[in-house]
Amino acid sequence: EAGVTQSPTHLIKTRGQQATLRCSPISGHTSVYWYQQALGLGLQFLLWYDEGEERNRGNFPPRFSGRQFPNYSSELNVNALELEDSALYLCASSLLVGTLPADTQYFGPGTRLTVL
Amino acid sequence: QKEVEQNSGPLSVPEGAIASLNCTYSDRGSQSFFWYRQYSGKSPELIMFIYSNGDKEDGRFTAQLNKASQYVSLLIRDSQPSDSATYLCAVIEYGNNRLAFGKGNQVVVIP
Repeated sequence: EAGVTQSPTHLIKTRGQQATLRCSPISGHTSVYWYQQALGLGLQFLLWYDEGEERNRGNFPPRFSGRQFPNYSSELNVNALELEDSALYLCASSLLVGTLPADTQYFGPGTRLTVL
Repeated sequence: QKEVEQNSGPLSVPEGAIASLNCTYSDRGSQSFFWYRQYSGKSPELIMFIYSNGDKEDGRFTAQLNKASQYVSLLIRDSQPSDSATYLCAVIEYGNNRLAFGKGNQVVVIP
């Protein structure tokens, strides 16, 4: 069974540009989560999508946004890039919301975003 | 805001020994607890999850949960050089679904 996939693997942008990151969940999983792992800051929750809707949002500015498509894949958009946005962006998926242990989250390989 | 604390510094253990990692959490509403392993430059890989008080064993790994004391631990028996990685403790609140992570503990297994 294929795991969570993410693209691109690496992304280099300049300050002020926009970045689009993509994620495909494990087959059958309906929930997609986005996390940011910046150097020295640990993993921080960004967004949670389930059944096409945004369910929860972390403490990030509105220029971080995303969506979930009917096939449950997801896109994270970061507008007006800042140097501090340089990080590893991780996507995770889970099977069912609020059903133990189905809510276990499995991570993709990540997209490393570098802002110059 | 949930807090998850992993206070120990890097842990060096000889090959074959037991590595012990601890994690405390602040939110008593937390329902599910996870240990992830992350190799340098890679994404987190799920090792264990635990929901009930007590011990849960999976191969060389044992997770221990004590909700009254709000801590969860991970034991790695017969440590191997391939166990050298950062171990992340994560906590999720039922219905919230956001994972709150500790900063991780680096484990170095010395051959």
